[in-house]
Amino acid sequence: EAGVTQFPSHSVIEKGQTVTLRCDPISGHDNLYWYRRVMGKEIKFLLHFVKESKQDESGMPNNRFLAERTGGTYSTLKVQPAELEDSGVYFCASSQVQGGAFFGQGTRLTVV
Amino acid sequence: SQQGEEDPQALSIQEGENATMNCSYKTSINNLQWYRQNSGRGLVHLILIRSNEREKHSGRLRVTLDTSKKSSSLLITASRAADTASYFCATDALSGYSTLTFGKGTMLLVSP
Repeated sequence: EAGVTQFPSHSVIEKGQTVTLRCDPISGHDNLYWYRRVMGKEIKFLLHFVKESKQDESGMPNNRFLAERTGGTYSTLKVQPAELEDSGVYFCASSQVQGGAFFGQGTRLTVV
Repeated sequence: SQQGEEDPQALSIQEGENATMNCSYKTSINNLQWYRQNSGRGLVHLILIRSNEREKHSGRLRVTLDTSKKSSSLLITASRAADTASYFCATDALSGYSTLTFGKGTMLLVSP
């Protein structure tokens, strides 16, 4: 069974540009989560989808971040326009039941 | 208040020694999980311990949970250089979903 996959693995963009990160959860997992680890800090929750609905987006830092999960399958996280402080590793996770979250490899975003 | 605070922040040991990392949290939980992140790679799930469990083993890993003290420990026995990584504990609250709260992690360096 394929795990959670994220694309790209690494992205380097200039400040002001737009970047879209993609996450493909494990097939059949209704819950999809985005997390972010900024350099040297803890991994922080961004938002949670249940199928295509946003269950909790309390961790989204500001309106430059837009997450979608059309059809309840894969999800995208768009940052527009990107700022320097957005640099970090973005993790996606999916779960079917409580407590069983599986993480992807992460996307390392570098904004220069 | 911050959930899942690990200590120490950094730990340096020799191969063959045991490594112990601790985690404290503040609110009631369903589960506590430990993850590992190797440099440049994603989060790897190590072990999950439920709130009604006190100890769990998986290979060279031993996790304890003391809900009265709201703390957990991760013991890696007979460490190897390949164990070098950052280790995070993560808790999920009694909300019914797997939204995790991570600490800043313990960076473990195992020298040959």
